[in-house]
Amino acid sequence: GESVGLHLPTLSVQEGDNSIINCAYSNSASDYFIWYKQESGKGPQFIIDIRSNMDKRQGQRVTVLLNKTVKHLSLQIAATQPGDSAVYFCAENKGGDYKLSFGAGTTVTVRA
Amino acid sequence: GAGVSQTPSNKVTEKGKYVELRCDPISGHTALYWYRQSLGQGPEFLIYFQGTGAADDSGLPNDRFFAVRPEGSVSTLKIQRTERGDSAVYLCASSPSSGSAFREQFFGPGTRLTVL
Repeated sequence: GESVGLHLPTLSVQEGDNSIINCAYSNSASDYFIWYKQESGKGPQFIIDIRSNMDKRQGQRVTVLLNKTVKHLSLQIAATQPGDSAVYFCAENKGGDYKLSFGAGTTVTVRA
Repeated sequence: GAGVSQTPSNKVTEKGKYVELRCDPISGHTALYWYRQSLGQGPEFLIYFQGTGAADDSGLPNDRFFAVRPEGSVSTLKIQRTERGDSAVYLCASSPSSGSAFREQFFGPGTRLTVL
């Protein structure tokens, strides 16, 4: 079965606010956790990843937090924009492996 | 530069028919992956190619599914005797084969397969 999954299937956010997307995982053997964004009619697009020995990683307007104690992963998007409306997937990867195991996704809708 | 392209974008077929789905990866990417995405779900791994060889086909659901990559570039996913349960979006991705590349896979737009 799937080893990653998301807490909420949908999230509505006011433009300009910060978004927090959550993901719970069960496979402690994963070496990396990755966030992908999928816009309607397109394939998933890589956003950011974090190694399992890290707690936090920042990118451009995004921050990923990893809490290994409770097996929880989150993606924070600062100053959410209309272009951030999409489905967000967390995925896991074992170091040296090539497969990505995806969760079910959270649909983020940005309100103007 | 050009991304991963997939053809056709949509395919409607009848139960029992044979279909081929094509993937053109990013030039120079030696790793190629096929995933299947059902409505409302995340992509599910099917098969991985390193060059011309299928390094892992453990995700193929049964022997009706087969994929090739004869020259290490374009890949074709072949489905025989299609069933209604095969209806999904079939995604292709590619990446270089080094370091963190496996985590940053470049996906095509997918082929939406509908089996009537």
